[in-house]
Amino acid sequence: DIQMTQSPSSLSASVGDRVTITCRASQTISRHLNWYQQKPGKAPKLLIYGASSLDSGVPSRFSGSGSGTDFTLTISSLQPEDFASYYCQQSYSTPTWTFGQGTKVEIK
Amino acid sequence: EVQLVQSGAEVKKPGESLRISCKASGYSFTSYWIAWVRQMPGKGLDWMGIIYPGDSDTRYSPSFQSQVTISVDRSIDTAYLQWRSLKASDTAMYYCARRIDILTGYADYWGQGSLVTVSS
Repeated sequence: DIQMTQSPSSLSASVGDRVTITCRASQTISRHLNWYQQKPGKAPKLLIYGASSLDSGVPSRFSGSGSGTDFTLTISSLQPEDFASYYCQQSYSTPTWTFGQGTKVEIK
Repeated sequence: EVQLVQSGAEVKKPGESLRISCKASGYSFTSYWIAWVRQMPGKGLDWMGIIYPGDSDTRYSPSFQSQVTISVDRSIDTAYLQWRSLKASDTAMYYCARRIDILTGYADYWGQGSLVTVSS
């Protein structure tokens, strides 16, 4: 099974900060990597698919990069509505998935 | 409009059985995989399994194989997640999600979640 390791598990940041979350796969997954945002009490929401493609309606301050085993989600200027948990998810082993353990972004 | 509407919250005792549902609308139900995802209180997302309603092809995470059963009823565009004997550790929010494949497979629509509480 493909394991996904996210880091950090949590971080504190201020509005306007640049935030970077990383996700590492236990084996190469090409660009089969997606990112989701989840706010408390809500279902996850897709942000980025295929490692770097922004889903429709997602603000351009979100970006994704990487291929192979190492991936990054970047928020260029953190906004109040971005305080949430973020999850990476691999889909290389189609149709099965694996999620990373999540990163909680909190207000400093 | 694509919608996945899940059944309501359940409170059960250990050892009881349960089936929760996910009703799809707004698209061809048999053309897209439906996944189930668990979220235990205060924890992350755990992929449980996935089913293709067109032919009922089903795959499970090793962690959930033999613990749950995923099925569909094509006549009413509904997917199910079922337990034969619940444990306290099954207490969690459960989400269904539609899988779409563009560049890669991802969940583009999610249900609102079904909260399952198992307590004696």
